[in-house]
Amino acid sequence: NAGVTQTPKFQVLKTGQSMTLQCAQDMNHNSMYWYRQDPGMGLRLIYYSASEGTTDKGEVPNGYNVSRLNKREFSLRLESAAPSQTSVYFCASSEGGLGSWGNTIYFGEGSWLTVV
Amino acid sequence: AQKVTQAQTEISVVEKEDVTLDCVYETRDTTYYLFWYKQPPSGELVFLIRRNSFDEQNEISGRYSWNFQKSTSSFNFTITASQVVDSAVYFCALSEPPSYNTDKLIFGTGTRLQVFP
Repeated sequence: NAGVTQTPKFQVLKTGQSMTLQCAQDMNHNSMYWYRQDPGMGLRLIYYSASEGTTDKGEVPNGYNVSRLNKREFSLRLESAAPSQTSVYFCASSEGGLGSWGNTIYFGEGSWLTVV
Repeated sequence: AQKVTQAQTEISVVEKEDVTLDCVYETRDTTYYLFWYKQPPSGELVFLIRRNSFDEQNEISGRYSWNFQKSTSSFNFTITASQVVDSAVYFCALSEPPSYNTDKLIFGTGTRLQVFP
């Protein structure tokens, strides 16, 4: 059972470089999410996609873009990486869908990103 | 505004001790969901439990138990007879209001539990 798969697991970027984090889920979930985790701050939502074809900003969207490629895949792009974007990034998914709320969110294994 | 507070930043115990992780939440909704997740040293986030606000019965799963008290807005997590493998960061989370057709969560800042042999 793959669940939520994200790549790469580790990445070092130079300031100003761009990169895309890839995420795919095999649970036929409607909603997908990107969170970042920083020491002492828990998990904060960057962007989410309630369903295929829609994306919305979360709590900390600045410096990021997302693409919901299809129902399975949701990518996160850093256009011009900054040291403040050094973090652990988690992709996640949930059943979601029209009228949905409170379902369990399942997370990928995380991507460790360092911007130097 | 909704908020989840995990006041305990770090807890250290010796193996076989019982330990309780506190979670206090704030919400104006009458219906909501609460969650606990575990993040072991390997880094992944593992779902532990989901609880509906209408279900105030305590839950027990092996050495894990959860005490949900609406009167004090708390959803505490107890590990009985702790083991080294319980060492992890534990997150409590609250569902956002049901207005976005999705399942967004608000997370606490986590409690790091270290269990020493």
